[in-house]
Amino acid sequence: GQNIDQPTEMTATEGAIVQINCTYQTSGFNGLFWYQQHAGEAPTFLSYNVLDGLEEKGRFSSFLSRSKGYSYLLLKELQMKDSASYLCAVRDRGNMLTFGGGTRLMVKP
Amino acid sequence: DVKVTQSSRYLVKRTGEKVFLECVQDMDHENMFWYRQDPGLGLRLIYFSYDVKMKEKGDIPEGYSVSREKKERFSLILESASTNQTSMYLCASSYPRLASSYEQYFGPGTRLTVT
Repeated sequence: GQNIDQPTEMTATEGAIVQINCTYQTSGFNGLFWYQQHAGEAPTFLSYNVLDGLEEKGRFSSFLSRSKGYSYLLLKELQMKDSASYLCAVRDRGNMLTFGGGTRLMVKP
Repeated sequence: DVKVTQSSRYLVKRTGEKVFLECVQDMDHENMFWYRQDPGLGLRLIYFSYDVKMKEKGDIPEGYSVSREKKERFSLILESASTNQTSMYLCASSYPRLASSYEQYFGPGTRLTVT
């Protein structure tokens, strides 16, 4: 089985940097995903990590350490529209995704 | 763009009713999934299908069944709705596992209330 932990809520200021952590304990591992979900909308794909290291995509970066069972999503130059829930998900060897509870990020002016 | 559509955004049903939730995708994806999303619990997989007429149980299949008669359509069935099935239901689809990132594309969700 899988166990995925991430903080329930975070608050940050517009223009700042925020890091959302995700730790996982899994029986198998075949990649980690981050999704963004605005209230009342579908989750949308942000990033995918399968090897250790940092993947950068514009203002968003995602980091993975497989030995530590740890990932983070880094959001730079925060904008009000970044207020959303951020979902960490692990793909097991069976190719199903298991999601964490999600982190609700509130960006304040 | 990939499009995943769900038959209803909001649905209210009575306890004991049979409920059908429909999902259609237009990208010829082999894999389709049904999740429910509840506060604090995240998305939990109910069932998935990797081909027509094929299905696999997810983490919480009890009280649900599925049907996949055509590649583009995946239906979730609540045989006898109960109040603890009040939730947001999300459908997703993806390419098969050989695709590098195996990204899942989600529909807009159906908020089901069982009274």
